[in-house]
Formats: sequence, C-alpha cells, structure tokens
Amino acid sequence: GQNIDQPTEMTATEGAIVQINCTYQTSGFNGLFWYQQHAGEAPTFLSYNVLDGLEEKGRFSSFLSRSKGYSYLLLKELQMKDSASYLCAPMDSNYQLIWGAGTKLIIKP
Amino acid sequence: IAGITQAPTSQILAAGRRMTLRCTQDMRHNAMYWYRQDLGLGLRLIHYSNTAGTTGKGEVPDGYSVSRANTDDFPLTLASAVPSQTSVYFCASSRLAGGQETQYFGPGTRLLVL
Repeated sequence: GQNIDQPTEMTATEGAIVQINCTYQTSGFNGLFWYQQHAGEAPTFLSYNVLDGLEEKGRFSSFLSRSKGYSYLLLKELQMKDSASYLCAPMDSNYQLIWGAGTKLIIKP
Repeated sequence: IAGITQAPTSQILAAGRRMTLRCTQDMRHNAMYWYRQDLGLGLRLIHYSNTAGTTGKGEVPDGYSVSRANTDDFPLTLASAVPSQTSVYFCASSRLAGGQETQYFGPGTRLLVL
C-alpha cells in the first residue's frame, strides 16, 4: 500500500531552524511536493523535488533521497507567520499526489 | 484576479439532500481535481479531470459525481448526502496533468451533513 509518515506536531522558536521529516512508500515515484497550509486556508505550493539532493528557495529548502524514500523540509530564520501545517505529497506512478496528514508547526516567541 | 473560486464557502445540509459544489478557474488549466480533507487525514482525491470532456475516479469516489463540460468549471455533486461526507472540500487545478505540475487550490467549501 501507499503510506506517508510525518510527525503530527513540532514546536520551534522564532529565529531558529526546524527540519520536518517525511518518509514515504508509493507505487512508483514521480517527484515529491511540499505544501504549506495555514489554519482554515487552502494549501499553497512550497517546493518540488524529483532528483536526489537539496533544493534551496530563500528561507526554505527541501531534500530528497529516493533510495531511502525520505524527504525533509528545512525552514530557517523562523517567523511567527511560519506557524502552519506542512504537507508532504509524493506523486505515484499514475501521477496522483499521495498526501500525508501534515505536520503542525508551532512557532513560539 | 486569476485563480480558483469555490462556492458555497460553507453549507449545512440535511442527510439525503442533493448538493452541488461549484469550482471555477480562470487560469486555462487543463487538469482539475476535487479533494476532501478530514482531521488527522491527508487530502484524499475524489475525482479528477485531465482535460475538458474527461473525468476519472480518485481514491474515494463513492457517493460523488463530477462533470467537465468546459475548461473552466468542474462541479462536484453529492447525489444523496450522508453524515460521513461532512468534510472540507478543496478544488485544485494544474496546467497539465502529471509530472512536476504544481496544483493550485481554491479556498475550500466547509460542508456539514446532519
């Protein structure tokens, strides 16, 4: 079966760095997306990885290891507005996104 | 303003009633999707359409139907609502189906079935 595993909740301090891990098992693989979702709002795109390695985009970076079925999202210089849920979503062989339940990130001053 | 709109924003519905959730995008995207989001679960795909005139079933299609008569609109119909269909429904679109195409989401419809 297809399975996505990410922590339910994490807490971090404003200005710090946090890493949100995601492990996945899918039928085939066509890349992995990370989305941000603020409470009561729609998910918004953060990053896409299809090759192994680190993709950096401003304060956010995303890493992928296809052989390990593993990805992480790294958030630097945390701001209060980063308090949100972060959704890991690999794409399977049918080009459908398989969504994790999300990691709720709480930022404390 | 380009994007995806959904209507209604929220709805309380009696069990057994028929309901259509509307979704319209003005980005000329070919692919559109309907998801439901429930507490503690990931987004689950209900139905999708890779291009106007075609539709497909997702992970949880039972009790739902869709149509794609044109590029812009992708309505989702609950023929006879049941309480287990209480959820937040998101419509999304992407330029093309598959590959590294980013999906863009509408604001969602919050549905309560009593």
